[in-house]
Amino acid sequence: EADIYQTPRYLVIGTGKKITLECSQTMGHDKMYWYQQDPGMELHLIHYSYGVNSTEKGDLSSESTVSRIRTEHFPLTLESARPSHTSQYLCASSEANLAGDPYEQYFGPGTRLTVT
Amino acid sequence: KNQVEQSPQSLIILEGKNCTLQCNYTVSPFSNLRWYKQDTGRGPVSLTIMTFSENTKSNGRYTATLDADTKQSSLHITASQLSDSASYICVVSDRGSTLGRLYFGRGTQLTVWP
Repeated sequence: EADIYQTPRYLVIGTGKKITLECSQTMGHDKMYWYQQDPGMELHLIHYSYGVNSTEKGDLSSESTVSRIRTEHFPLTLESARPSHTSQYLCASSEANLAGDPYEQYFGPGTRLTVT
Repeated sequence: KNQVEQSPQSLIILEGKNCTLQCNYTVSPFSNLRWYKQDTGRGPVSLTIMTFSENTKSNGRYTATLDADTKQSSLHITASQLSDSASYICVVSDRGSTLGRLYFGRGTQLTVWP
């Protein structure tokens, strides 16, 4: 079992609310990621970080923002939730790797977000 | 365009039977291929990782194969158990960036019946 945690596991919230999805890992990994996954669909990378004070947008455009102030913490924030944000959000982390070397990416249990 | 295609989309088998899941990819330049198991409502858990030079790797009752020439992989599950019911995701990593970008398939939803 990977030491990567996400809270809350489930969240139902009304349109327009600000929400923060928490992700933390105790493995000391430099790289962290946020993915979005709809039922029956593939995971899409929405944000990633190489380390503290580093954040980048992923392949899928997202209205969410992230921050990386501490190595172990990578929260995702939605300033104004909308029904289109309803999805599962998965956080992951990995060790830094040289390009081309296989590395293990560990996933958290996910947050199922429903915006009404 | 880098893609990962999996088949079948869903599969139902009886407990104790074997099954094989397929993955075709067009990701280039290829770095490695991994199979993940994702239980409903959970995050994916890695089963195997294979590099270009590896053509088979086992993890208990799971055996993955890789043909880098034809860009195909398979995951064989032996003597299935009820706990094998999950989505099995094929993921391919490219060699073209320091991020080691991952390309995900949509998964094969496996259901094992008693």
